[in-house]
Amino acid sequence: EAGVTQFPSHSVIEKGQTVTLRCDPISGHDNLYWYRRVMGKEIKFLLHFVKESKQDESGMPNNRFLAERTGGTYSTLKVQPAELEDSGVYFCASSPYLYRRDRINPNYGYTFGSGTRLTVV
Amino acid sequence: GQNIDQPTEMTATEGAIVQINCTYQTSGFNGLFWYQQHAGEAPTFLSYNVLDGLEEKGRFSSFLSRSKGYSYLLLKELQMKDSASYLCAVTDSNYQLIWGAGTKLIIKP
Repeated sequence: EAGVTQFPSHSVIEKGQTVTLRCDPISGHDNLYWYRRVMGKEIKFLLHFVKESKQDESGMPNNRFLAERTGGTYSTLKVQPAELEDSGVYFCASSPYLYRRDRINPNYGYTFGSGTRLTVV
Repeated sequence: GQNIDQPTEMTATEGAIVQINCTYQTSGFNGLFWYQQHAGEAPTFLSYNVLDGLEEKGRFSSFLSRSKGYSYLLLKELQMKDSASYLCAVTDSNYQLIWGAGTKLIIKP
């Protein structure tokens, strides 16, 4: 089974430019999450898709960030225009179902992609 | 606010035992995860605790005390390949993962 795939693995862009990150979840996983880790800090939640719908986007830092998941398959995260503080590693994760205490199977829970390292200069 | 605390860095010797602690304060609790992350790679699942007590899985064990908001990850018979960051994460009342900043574990021969 293919894992969660993210493109590109690295991106270096200038302040003010636009960058689009892509995440391909595990096939059949309805839930897709975006996270970000700024250097030296904890991973922060950005948003959560259930199929093509945004379930929770409370972690999106501002309106320069736009996430889409057309058709409920892969997702894109666009940053426009990029600022220096957007630098970090952007992780995507997918899971087969929304967690409920009686349905949690942690061995098949969140599967993470390797991340995209974004550097804004 | 929600907060997960774990040491920034720990050093241990190959073959020894190390315990990585994690304390949390979150709005609700629906389980605690430990992940291992090697540099440049994806976090990989290690353990999950939702009830108090110790869960053992090979060389790794994880403990949880919900009343104390405390967990630890115990690594035995340390190997050089165990050098990595260890991330503690809690699912809150909305089933969202709240992450600690990670503990960088350095294994010395």
